[in-house]
Amino acid sequence: QVQLVESGGGVVQPGRSLRLSCAASGFTLSNYGMHWVRQAPGKGLEWVAVVWSDGSDKYYADSVKGRFTVSRDISKNTLDVQMNSLRADDTAVYYCARGRSGSSIFDYWGQGTLVTVSS
Amino acid sequence: EIVLTQSPATLSLSPGERATLSCRASQSVSSSLAWYQQKPGQAPRLLIYDASNRATGIPARFSGSGSGTDFTLTISSLAPEDFAVYYCHQRHNWPLTFGGGTKVEI
Repeated sequence: QVQLVESGGGVVQPGRSLRLSCAASGFTLSNYGMHWVRQAPGKGLEWVAVVWSDGSDKYYADSVKGRFTVSRDISKNTLDVQMNSLRADDTAVYYCARGRSGSSIFDYWGQGTLVTVSS
Repeated sequence: EIVLTQSPATLSLSPGERATLSCRASQSVSSSLAWYQQKPGQAPRLLIYDASNRATGIPARFSGSGSGTDFTLTISSLAPEDFAVYYCHQRHNWPLTFGGGTKVEI
């Protein structure tokens, strides 16, 4: 069955970097657009980034553009996000989510990984 | 950026009652709207996509309607497991956006 498992979260100081990973199983990641969505504590959902199935196109929310980079490792069937210059307002649970049939409808989600940016 | 406004923020109902949740877009999103359910400590779950299509495994008591700027999620008869937060989401324009959520509480 389809499963997404995030890892890499933790506590990091402002201005530092962190890399999150999402391991996919039950499907081939390269056949789908894959997204990162985050949720600050007690708040709503915010879309962060997408890498499309062909891997060539990536889009980012303005709030993370220039600081976050999304990538895939096809051989490992994993999705990553490199987060640089982290700020306190990046504190959130980060979810990876699969886009249904080439769309941006999130049909499967991981359980999330918590990133806390604090000194 | 398309802003999605959900109302009410909180809906207090009893099991067996009908729930009607609203999502209004700041500009037309055609039918490119989805609904998700989120329970505490869990990831969101897709309920409805393209305004009115139930996702795989979603009970028939959940239905969606609307197009353009006004959308509704209806739960015909609330089951105990339906008390949760519900989010609408548009994929018509970049950036993708979510509504602020409606909490359905007992």
